[in-house]
Amino acid sequence: GQNIDQPTEMTATEGAIVQINCTYQTSGFNGLFWYQQHAGEAPTFLSYNVLDGLEEKGRFSSFLSRSKGYSYLLLKELQMKDSASYLCAAMDSNYQLIWGAGTKLIIKP
Amino acid sequence: GAVVSQHPSRVICKSGTSVKIECRSLDFQATTMFWYRQFPKKSLMLMATSNEGSKATYEQGVEKDKFLINHASLTLSTLTVTSAHPEDSSFYICSANPVEGQGVEQYFGPGTRLTVT
Repeated sequence: GQNIDQPTEMTATEGAIVQINCTYQTSGFNGLFWYQQHAGEAPTFLSYNVLDGLEEKGRFSSFLSRSKGYSYLLLKELQMKDSASYLCAAMDSNYQLIWGAGTKLIIKP
Repeated sequence: GAVVSQHPSRVICKSGTSVKIECRSLDFQATTMFWYRQFPKKSLMLMATSNEGSKATYEQGVEKDKFLINHASLTLSTLTVTSAHPEDSSFYICSANPVEGQGVEQYFGPGTRLTVT
């Protein structure tokens, strides 16, 4: 079956760095997405990886290892506004997104 | 950037009535739109894939006669919740792909909060 695993909740300190991991099992693979979702709002796109390696975009970076079925989202210089849920989603061979349950990130001062 | 709108943003309706939710791609054409449902503290659940000019493809367990989807144009898809019940109360989100299924991100609408009393 198809499955996405990510931690339910993480806590980090303002100004610090946090890494949110995601492992996936899908029928075929057409890329790995990370989305940010604040409570009561729709998700917003953060990153897309289809090749192995690290993609850096400002304070956020995303890593993919296709052979390991593994990705992580790295958030640097954490700000209070980064408190949100972070959703990992893998695109299968039918170009459908398989969603993880999301990781709730709590930032403390 | 690509913008997707949804209307209404919030709706309260009585049990037994029907509610229509619109999803529009404002600055691009979308041959495919997706409808999701999200329960509190849960991940997005894909309900159906809406294809312009053809019937929607529903996910297993989603009643197509209850959740009517119409994708009449390249910029508009509608979801109608028929004979709504309190258990249909949820956050409904649509998304659209500017290019059909080619690995680009989905652009999400802001969501519609449905409350059935």
